[in-house]
Amino acid sequence: SQTIHQWPATLVQPVGSPLSLECTVEGTSNPNLYWYRQAAGRGLQLLFYSVGIGQISSEVPQNLSASRPQDRQFILSSKKLLLSDSGFYLCACPQEEGREKLFFGSGTQLSVL
Amino acid sequence: GENVEQHPSTLSVQEGDSAVIKCTYSDSASNYFPWYKQELGKRPQLIIDIRSNVGEKKDQRIAVTLNKTAKHFSLHITETQPEDSAVYFCAASRGGGYNKLIFGAGTRLAVHP
Repeated sequence: SQTIHQWPATLVQPVGSPLSLECTVEGTSNPNLYWYRQAAGRGLQLLFYSVGIGQISSEVPQNLSASRPQDRQFILSSKKLLLSDSGFYLCACPQEEGREKLFFGSGTQLSVL
Repeated sequence: GENVEQHPSTLSVQEGDSAVIKCTYSDSASNYFPWYKQELGKRPQLIIDIRSNVGEKKDQRIAVTLNKTAKHFSLHITETQPEDSAVYFCAASRGGGYNKLIFGAGTRLAVHP
């Protein structure tokens, strides 16, 4: 079965600092990959998705960017963090049982102070 | 694009009672409707899903109903237990290769012993 590794689990960063969150997937090949953000007490907002290496689609205009340098690696970045970037960031990929069923990583709790 | 509205935002029930959470969607082309459960600080986990060619689906104490004409779907939990306490999210997508899941804002369910 697939596994998603996300790190770090928690992160506290000052406003204006850069960000790099990494997600790696095991147990599947050429998966669609997704970045979601969950603000405190809010729903899951789709930020980016990728159907292959170097292919990134952005869902909302924002201070963040994403890259997919390898088939099973998805990176979320920012050059300068804003307070509003705080949230719980989740990487996801399709489950083996059906590509419509998303499986989420354990997430990164980002606090921008 | 798709917009998913979910209500209520909070729901409190006594153990053994039933709980119902409702969602509406805007994109008539959506054909896949999953429900996720998220415990505090954890990743969302898929608990049940339904496709547009089915009106109802059950899995033990959980059931989902779909009304395509009205574009709404609901989660029903019977004989609630304290361990059902969590945040529940509905979602909708067109399925297929890109499968962008758009989530509702979530419902915080509290089951009191």
